[in-house]
Amino acid sequence: QKEVEQNSGPLSVPEGAIASLNCTYSDRGSQSFFWYRQYSGKSPELIMFIYSNGDKEDGRFTAQLNKASQYVSLLIRDSQPSDSATYLCAVNEAAGQNFVFGPGTRLSVLP
Amino acid sequence: GAVVSQHPSRVICKSGTSVKIECRSLDFQATTMFWYRQFPKQSLMLMATSNEGSKATYEQGVEKDKFLINHASLTLSTLTVTSAHPEDSSFYICSARAGTVKETQYFGPGTRLLVL
Repeated sequence: QKEVEQNSGPLSVPEGAIASLNCTYSDRGSQSFFWYRQYSGKSPELIMFIYSNGDKEDGRFTAQLNKASQYVSLLIRDSQPSDSATYLCAVNEAAGQNFVFGPGTRLSVLP
Repeated sequence: GAVVSQHPSRVICKSGTSVKIECRSLDFQATTMFWYRQFPKQSLMLMATSNEGSKATYEQGVEKDKFLINHASLTLSTLTVTSAHPEDSSFYICSARAGTVKETQYFGPGTRLLVL
């Protein structure tokens, strides 16, 4: 069974620090990887997607992908209290139609 | 970014009644739409995948006769919860994808259902 794993947290970081969120996946054929943020009581919103090995930066966010290790991460620089949310990693199934979502990591940025 | 709407945002109904939830892609054509359910403090659970013009594919354990999905056009999918019971109370979220599996899913704002 294809799986996506994340630490459930909570991950607590002080304001201004770098938050590092990790995700591993089991399907070696996966080709696209997504990070979503979900605030409590709201639906997920897309932060970033990454297809190629290496880093992809967008503002304070950097996604890192290592297909050999089946590992994708999200770094949040200069963390703000407003970044406190659950972060969902999603991986496409190579032979299917759908994403497989991880259980999410709850991030708490302390002022 | 792409916009997906859901209606209603919140609904309260009596046990035994049916509730219809609409999901629309507002600025793109969604070849595939997905329906998720999320209970408090739990992760998203995929219920079904629907492609325009064809029958929905339901995940294991999801009753297709209870959760009716219609994807009649490239911009609209509906989920009908039939004969709702209190245990169906949950947060229902749709998402839509424009093209291939590699492309992003965009989520609607969700519908909170409370069955009394």
